[in-house]
Amino acid sequence: GENVGLHLPTLSVQEGDNSIINCAYSNSASDYFIWYKQESGKGPQFIIDIRSNMDKRQGQRVTVLLNKTVKHLSLQIAATQPGDSAVYFCAETYSGTYKYIFGTGTRLKVLA
Amino acid sequence: GAVVSQHPSWVICKSGTSVKIECRSLDFQATTMFWYRQFPKQSLMLMATSNEGSKATYEQGVEKDKFLINHASLTLSTLTVTSAHPEDSSFYICSARDALFLSLGGYTFGSGTRLTVV
Repeated sequence: GENVGLHLPTLSVQEGDNSIINCAYSNSASDYFIWYKQESGKGPQFIIDIRSNMDKRQGQRVTVLLNKTVKHLSLQIAATQPGDSAVYFCAETYSGTYKYIFGTGTRLKVLA
Repeated sequence: GAVVSQHPSWVICKSGTSVKIECRSLDFQATTMFWYRQFPKQSLMLMATSNEGSKATYEQGVEKDKFLINHASLTLSTLTVTSAHPEDSSFYICSARDALFLSLGGYTFGSGTRLTVV
């Protein structure tokens, strides 16, 4: 699999700053993307999603950007808080399959 | 909202024994459930797709006889790790897709099971 043997990169940000977490997805046919947050010892929690017919989608304090040309996805978190500290994964899938493929993940550390 | 309960949250077992992990959808019917494995500091790796009333579909490289999956009802799927060995120690996570697609992102994840084989 594409994630075997990889270790999580870490992003450290000051509390109150904005965070940008990036993800490169693998399948140009993927048409639905999701960002998940995973806290230690827990399962992933949905944050925000975006379909391939959109470039940007905003939620509460979070924004997802999709660049299909370079197969890149980003998650922006505004005014990062200590509770945002977690590992963030992007996932991709395409119509006709139920499978989600998870990206490598990024550990976000919020510094007080 | 959709809730998936996974049990146990952690288990320690002796090498050679079998361990069963349960995944239940509490307030919706799950036509499809997925089982993932996650090693420390790594991403989720899909192990198998479980459909109610039919045999599970395993991903390449996953041993069917080692990881037995049963999806006997629309609210319960079980993963049994048979003849467990220390290399099977990992974090196992299930997710469920509800028939009405009400879960945000399409799937709801369980809280995971930490398996340690000694």
